[in-house]
Amino acid sequence: DAGVIQSPRHEVTEMGQEVTLRCKPISGHNSLFWYRQTMMRGLELLIYFNNNVPIDDSGMPEDRFSAKMPNASFSTLKIQPSEPRDSAVYFCASRGPSGEQYFGPGTRLTVT
Amino acid sequence: GEDVEQSLFLSVREGDSSVINCTYTDSSSTYLYWYKQEPGAGLQLLTYIFSNMDMKQDQRLTVLLNKKDKHLSLRIADTQTGDSAIYFCAERSTGANNLFFGTGTRLTVIP
Repeated sequence: DAGVIQSPRHEVTEMGQEVTLRCKPISGHNSLFWYRQTMMRGLELLIYFNNNVPIDDSGMPEDRFSAKMPNASFSTLKIQPSEPRDSAVYFCASRGPSGEQYFGPGTRLTVT
Repeated sequence: GEDVEQSLFLSVREGDSSVINCTYTDSSSTYLYWYKQEPGAGLQLLTYIFSNMDMKQDQRLTVLLNKKDKHLSLRIADTQTGDSAIYFCAERSTGANNLFFGTGTRLTVIP
């Protein structure tokens, strides 16, 4: 299996622009998680889906952030408009049979 | 809520054993996990242990669980420079989907 796939790996954008991050979970995994990692705040859970349905989005920082999972093999995290404080590494993870999570390589977002 | 704590830094000499410690507060924790994150990479699952076990060994890695004290440790035998990374402890309660992560311990291996 290719593991969790994320794209792009790096994104540099200007403040105010829309950013879309993409994730393909491991085939057969029913839960998908979006995390943000920064030096100041560490690893934060933003939202997670179970069977394509958002279960807990309490970690989404603001209405500028939205996430979708239109099918079992694809999810997006969108930031509109982006701000410099959104600069971070964004990880997607999918859940295995014993609750373990498998992480993608991350998208490093820089907002200037 | 759940609280998972780790010390921030650990330095060891190459060839020595490393012991990374973790404490958690949730008494209903069922599964406990160790992840490794190398620079510029995602979190890599190293191993996990169920709460009905007190030890698990996998090659150079040994996980010890003291459920009474809510203490988890990861021992790396014969530590190599390639083991330098941040190690995260995480726990999951029965029936929960999400994991609660510690802050991570940065392991530095001195040649």
